[in-house]
Amino acid sequence: GQSLEQPSEVTAVEGAIVQINCTYQTSGFYGLSWYQQHDGGAPTFLSYNALDGLEETGRFSSFLSRSDSYGYLLLQELQMKDSASYFCVTSGGSYIPTFGRGTSLIVHP
Amino acid sequence: NAGVTQTPKFQVLKTGQSMTLQCAQDMNHNSMYWYRQDPGMGLRLIYYSASEGTTDKGEVPNGYNVSRLNKREFSLRLESAAPSQTSVYFCASSERQGLEAFFGQGTRLTV
Repeated sequence: GQSLEQPSEVTAVEGAIVQINCTYQTSGFYGLSWYQQHDGGAPTFLSYNALDGLEETGRFSSFLSRSDSYGYLLLQELQMKDSASYFCVTSGGSYIPTFGRGTSLIVHP
Repeated sequence: NAGVTQTPKFQVLKTGQSMTLQCAQDMNHNSMYWYRQDPGMGLRLIYYSASEGTTDKGEVPNGYNVSRLNKREFSLRLESAAPSQTSVYFCASSERQGLEAFFGQGTRLTV
């Protein structure tokens, strides 16, 4: 089976940098993804890492270390609109994507 | 581009009633998924279809059936709704083992 662990809540102030960590256990590995979900909305794809290292997309970056079964999402220059839930997702040998329980990011002015 | 279109957006059922949730995608993706999301939880996979003509159970398939009608459409059916099926349902399509998925807007179902 697959399991993912991420913090339930993270708080930060506008303009700051925040890191949301994710550790996973999976048999087989096809990559780690991150999604954003605002209250009442649908999940939106943010990033995907198949190989070790850092992927940067604007203010958001995602990192993967396959040897440590660990990844993180880094959000820079936080804005109020970044307040949302963030999910890490992995897929193993079964090709079934598994979501973590999500991290609620609260950005304060 | 419409992306993933899911209907209806809201539905209230009585225990024992049946209904079908519809989902269509216009991105020519092979894989489609149905998830449910309960408060404080991540998304849990109900059923998925890796390609047209195939369907497989996910983590929580009991009480549901699916049909992959063609490459574009993937429907979810509740034959006899139960209060435990009160949830928000999301349809998604993807090309990368579900790791870069596009989601419909969701269906809020109350039983």
